[in-house]
Amino acid sequence: DQQVKQNSPSLSVQEGRISILNCDYTNSMFDYFLWYKKYPAEGPTFLISISSIKDKNEDGRFTVFLNKSAKHLSLHIVPSQPGDSAVYFCAASILNAGNNRKLIWGLGTSLAVNP
Amino acid sequence: GAVVSQHPSRVICKSGTSVKIECRSLDFQATTMFWYRQFPKQSLMLMATSNEGSKATYEQGVEKDKFLINHASLTLSTLTVTSAHPEDSSFYICSARGGTGSEQYFGPGTRLTVT
Repeated sequence: DQQVKQNSPSLSVQEGRISILNCDYTNSMFDYFLWYKKYPAEGPTFLISISSIKDKNEDGRFTVFLNKSAKHLSLHIVPSQPGDSAVYFCAASILNAGNNRKLIWGLGTSLAVNP
Repeated sequence: GAVVSQHPSRVICKSGTSVKIECRSLDFQATTMFWYRQFPKQSLMLMATSNEGSKATYEQGVEKDKFLINHASLTLSTLTVTSAHPEDSSFYICSARGGTGSEQYFGPGTRLTVT
């Protein structure tokens, strides 16, 4: 049962335009959401996060929007650059049975930014 | 800041042998470390969570006697794959977290191939 869903496995965008990556979740106990960027054969790199009590967080070209009632979040990248081409993972944070915080991951969306 | 290293980056071993993977936080103290594995075209799968000085908490379906985790210091955790089989071949990634926040910082990963 996939609690964090990224329904688009891939996305292609022209350089300079906006990239919008979407993520849906099912568990209302998630209280923090994160976006990571990953290149092949490397570990993920943290990009941006948002607390469940907020609806927007912005950091440079990256903005994350959270719609709690719809259990949906999105990552906007504007303007998109070729170096943004990577796999983007959405992750949701929750306390597990051992009272540890753990991340539940989506399957990722592969973004290609074309020059 | 928040750099995590992993060693080795790539290892090939014979079936039946054991392999140890090291994960180090280089510039912060990691109170919690996580071990993930990733199969091709799949998401990150959390294997276990370890807090410094205590036993690791394993996710359902992960054999604790096969995947031995030691988190003896605030900067080092090790994962030992015992009696490795070809089906253990995967990309293993560690992450580390300081404090109780949600952000995890990832190592570059270890590609394990069991022949």
